[in-house]
Amino acid sequence: NAGVTQTPKFRVLKTGQSMTLLCAQDMNHEYMYWYRQDPGMGLRLIHYSVGEGTTAKGEVPDGYNVSRLKKQNFLLGLESAAPSQTSVYFCASSYSRQGNTEAFFGQGTRLTVV
Amino acid sequence: AQTVTQSQPEMSVQEAETVTLSCTYDTSESDYYLFWYKQPPSRQMILVIRQEAYKQQNATENRFSVNFQKAAKSFSLKISDSQLGDAAMYFCAYEGGSEKLVFGKGMKLTVNP
Repeated sequence: NAGVTQTPKFRVLKTGQSMTLLCAQDMNHEYMYWYRQDPGMGLRLIHYSVGEGTTAKGEVPDGYNVSRLKKQNFLLGLESAAPSQTSVYFCASSYSRQGNTEAFFGQGTRLTVV
Repeated sequence: AQTVTQSQPEMSVQEAETVTLSCTYDTSESDYYLFWYKQPPSRQMILVIRQEAYKQQNATENRFSVNFQKAAKSFSLKISDSQLGDAAMYFCAYEGGSEKLVFGKGMKLTVNP
């Protein structure tokens, strides 16, 4: 059972570089989310999607873009990385809203921007 | 906007004893959900327990139970018979009409043998 898989698990970027984080889920979930976790801050929602082809902004969307071209994949892009984007990124998915069904999380991607 | 507050950044408990983690939240909604998530050193976020606001009965899951006080906007987690494997970061979270989770800042639980 793969569940939610994030690629890569670690990455170091130079300021100004771009990269894409991939989240893949094999549970046929409609909802997918991208969070960032910073020390002492808990998890904050970046972007989310309630179905294939849809995306919406979360609490901290600036500097990020997302795409949900296939139901099982949710991509998070950084066009021009900044040191403030150094964080641990988590992807999650759920069948419907998280109040009704359990959300499953990936194991995180640790990103360092130097 | 909804906020979730975990006022204790760290707690410790002796193995086999009981510990209570506190959480308060602020909302004007009447229908919402509350959660406790566990994050061990592996970083994996694991759902511990979920409470629906319209249910008066407190949720329980084996050694984990909550004390949900809707009027006081309080949602504490009690861990009974603490085990070494309970050591982790614990996050309280809220989901209301926006269908987006709002997390507290977390609390580090240490379990002493």
